[in-house]
Amino acid sequence: GAVVSQHPSWVICKSGTSVKIECRSLDFQATTMFWYRQFPKQSLMLMATSNEGSKATYEQGVEKDKFLINHASLTLSTLTVTSAHPEDSSFYICSATLAGEQFFGPGTRLTVL
Amino acid sequence: QKEVEQDPGPLSVPEGAIVSLNCTYSNSAFQYFMWYRQYSRKGPELLMYTYSSGNKEDGRFTAQVDKSSKYISLFIRDSQPSDSATYLCAMSNTDKLIFGTGTRLQVFP
Repeated sequence: GAVVSQHPSWVICKSGTSVKIECRSLDFQATTMFWYRQFPKQSLMLMATSNEGSKATYEQGVEKDKFLINHASLTLSTLTVTSAHPEDSSFYICSATLAGEQFFGPGTRLTVL
Repeated sequence: QKEVEQDPGPLSVPEGAIVSLNCTYSNSAFQYFMWYRQYSRKGPELLMYTYSSGNKEDGRFTAQVDKSSKYISLFIRDSQPSDSATYLCAMSNTDKLIFGTGTRLQVFP
C-alpha cells in the first residue's frame, strides 16, 4: 500500500514551453502533497506544499507564477512549469502524506533544451 | 550554515562491512529524524524513523539520535551489494522535511 506515482517519468522540452507533471496517490487519499526539486548531487529541496481544495504554500525563493500547483482531488496534484528554461532542468519529486508519513513518487526528470 | 549537513561521499566498502552514515544539524527544534534510501533516478524510500533521542534497530539497520550533540547516525551491518544507493537523512519539527545532501554508498562484492 501507500504507492505514489508520477507522470511522466521524464520529459524533454524546448525553452519557453510549459510542462505539466502529475502526482497521484494510487491506493490512499492525501489531503497534503509536497513538491521537491533535486539537482545533481544535491539535496531534495521543498518547493511547495499542496493542499487539496486550497492554494499551495510556496517556500521562500520559489516563484509561484512559474511553478503552478493544482491539488484538485484527494489523489491528484499537478505541477506545471511555465515558460521553462534550461535552469529549470532538474529532478522533480512529489510526496503524499498518509498518517504523518510522506510517501515519495519515483520522480520526473525534466530537461529543458 | 545549512540546517542539515551530510558528507556526500562516495563511500565504498566491501561486502560484509559495517557502514556508518552521519548527519549533523543546527535546528534544536527538530524532533523527528528519518533515514531514506534513494536508488538512482528513483524517489526516496523510508528506511528508519526515530522520534527524539535514542536508538532504533530494524534488522541490519540501526539509527541513533543524539540531540545534545545534534548528531544522527545510521549503521548498516553485514552490508550487501544491494545496499548500494544514496542515503539521505531528513528531519523535521512540523510536517516539512529538511533533507541532507545524501551520502552515496557503494558496496562491492
